Amino acid sequence: RKEVEQDPGPFNVPEGATVAFNCTYSNSASQSFFWYRQDCRKEPKLLMSVYSSGNEDGRFTAQLNRASQYISLLIRDSKLSDSATYLCVRVGDSGYSTLTFGKGTMLLVSP
Amino acid sequence: NAGVTQTPKFQVLKTGQSMTLQCAQDMNHNSMYWYRQDPGMGLRLIYYSASEGTTDKGEVPNGYNVSRLNKREFSLRLESAAPSQTSVYFCASSELAGGLAKNIQYFGAGTRLSVL
Repeated sequence: RKEVEQDPGPFNVPEGATVAFNCTYSNSASQSFFWYRQDCRKEPKLLMSVYSSGNEDGRFTAQLNRASQYISLLIRDSKLSDSATYLCVRVGDSGYSTLTFGKGTMLLVSP
Repeated sequence: NAGVTQTPKFQVLKTGQSMTLQCAQDMNHNSMYWYRQDPGMGLRLIYYSASEGTTDKGEVPNGYNVSRLNKREFSLRLESAAPSQTSVYFCASSELAGGLAKNIQYFGAGTRLSVL
């Protein structure tokens, strides 16, 4: 089982829809995660951090489910500009932490 | 407001040629990273430098060397380029001083490399 797994999609949704992605992880000791966003042919950019208590930022909500070892990203009221690939990222546990990136889930929002 | 700057943006090499990809950050970050991104493979860590003066191998280090020139700069060298090294290369940096926020990595715009 890969360390961080995501459904590659694409998820095709109309504007205004609510969409959710999950990301599963294999290391039960994992504590911290990020969601990054990557637009086509651009660099990844941080979307939000995922705290154990969950995290909400406007239309975006991230949750961590330790019992089932997955994190989720919920996007409400989708906009055309939300079309991108969303990368699930696990933060390493050592003192010098590296990040482990999932392969990403593609979202396409249509008019 | 530059953040992480990579040069060049595009490069075409012939098999066996060498080149160095340059990366500089102006955020006073301790750690710097080199990734490659290939279709269907996601981002894979090549090398990283947790602090000035140290470098460590990542997931896919073969065929590459790195130099942490100073706190700002971290270069990636391909000594003898191969077609399998055709990829998009991203440099990133992070503060990495404890706490989740310090692990956030900020990326450069990438270098698109083709090896013929």
